[in-house]
Amino acid sequence: EPEVTQTPSHQVTQMGQEVILRCVPISNHLYFYWYRQILGQKVEFLVSFYNNEISEKSEIFDDQFSVERPDGSNFTLKIRSTKLEDSAMYFCASSIATGSSYNEQFFGPGTRLTVL
Amino acid sequence: GESVGLHLPTLSVQEGDNSIINCAYSNSASDYFIWYKQESGKGPQFIIDIRSNMDKRQGQRVTVLLNKTVKHLSLQIAATQPGDSAVYFCAERKGTLTFGKGTMLLVSP
Repeated sequence: EPEVTQTPSHQVTQMGQEVILRCVPISNHLYFYWYRQILGQKVEFLVSFYNNEISEKSEIFDDQFSVERPDGSNFTLKIRSTKLEDSAMYFCASSIATGSSYNEQFFGPGTRLTVL
Repeated sequence: GESVGLHLPTLSVQEGDNSIINCAYSNSASDYFIWYKQESGKGPQFIIDIRSNMDKRQGQRVTVLLNKTVKHLSLQIAATQPGDSAVYFCAERKGTLTFGKGTMLLVSP
């Protein structure tokens, strides 16, 4: 069964450093998403991406965040200058479609980011 | 997944019991409501969704009920099994997904 994969599973970084979280969405999916979950809190939407551009983003997704689909398989989230409060689980998800009808988003296992 | 928190509501049931997990949502303009299951170390997994113009939808062993009057959503799991133990949370969709905090379901054999 196809699945979304994410690397690394755990990333530890120093405050102020840049990190890149990587995701490989399901191959025939067209919509890609990043979410985060701070420990003990709700899953929060960050950004959605379609046709090589951001389609929606939340207020969390400020200028320190960026996303990229550098090739036909990877989807990355870059955090330019990490802060302590960026420590969270980051989930990538993908779906075949979106729009007026809901389509199931398939989530990856997440990357735990720890900022020291 | 690290969705388990110190203040997560917990529902403990015996294997074979029926489980009901509840959720309150906030946006009356949401067009879909979705239930997810999250097992330890994994990402959220889609269980079932319901469109806002419906009040009930059934899947395999699961039923979702939607009460728009009181903005309430419930997930019923029939004949709960130990493998159902996980955190369950609802999400509402108005463009993007807004998630609830979740309920931990513990199923004892």
